Amino acid sequence: GDSVTQMEGPVTLSEEAFLTINCTYTATGYPSLFWYVQYPGEGLQLLLKATKADDKGSNKGFEATYRKETTSFHLEKGSVQVSDSAVYFCALSDRGYQKVTFGTGTKLQVIP
Amino acid sequence: DAGITQSPRYKITETGRQVTLMCHQTWSHSYMFWYRQDLGHGLRLIYYSAAADITDKGEVPDGYVVSRSKTENFPLTLESATRSQTSVYFCASSEDNSYEQYFGPGTRLTVT
Repeated sequence: GDSVTQMEGPVTLSEEAFLTINCTYTATGYPSLFWYVQYPGEGLQLLLKATKADDKGSNKGFEATYRKETTSFHLEKGSVQVSDSAVYFCALSDRGYQKVTFGTGTKLQVIP
Repeated sequence: DAGITQSPRYKITETGRQVTLMCHQTWSHSYMFWYRQDLGHGLRLIYYSAAADITDKGEVPDGYVVSRSKTENFPLTLESATRSQTSVYFCASSEDNSYEQYFGPGTRLTVT
């Protein structure tokens, strides 16, 4: 079945540091890939998405590129802020379903 | 207010009791979902619904019941709560032909 593996956290960075959160996936077809973010005490919200190979999703300074050859969708940001502290979930949706498979989440803490 | 709401936000109940978690969305989205979020497991799908009166099991449906008599409501019932059902529950919705899911704020349920 489909699965998503992302790096375990927590990840602690100083403000303005470079961020990478690794994500790899297993899927039988050609999935769409997502990053969701969960701020403390809130539900998840879509951060960015990519629907086909080599697509780059971007939003709020975050980027991720759909790499079919390595089955990866790593999240990056050039300069993190304290307000980026949250839990980040990599996810995929495959086979035309509306269902989404989520990774276990990576907690990011940014310190001033 | 427009959006997706959940009630209650916090609930403490005893083992063996029945409890219902409510979910309401104002967008008329066709699809609705229930997830539970537990440390180390990320989000796991309990049930989903493609339209009013159409529901289907997700990854972890045992011990839960859902109904969807109206498009905007998707209640989740724990028929006889167990301690293993202590979790944070999220409701989500999505439009046809879109994999983006919109999440509610969550219900933190504690079973004692």
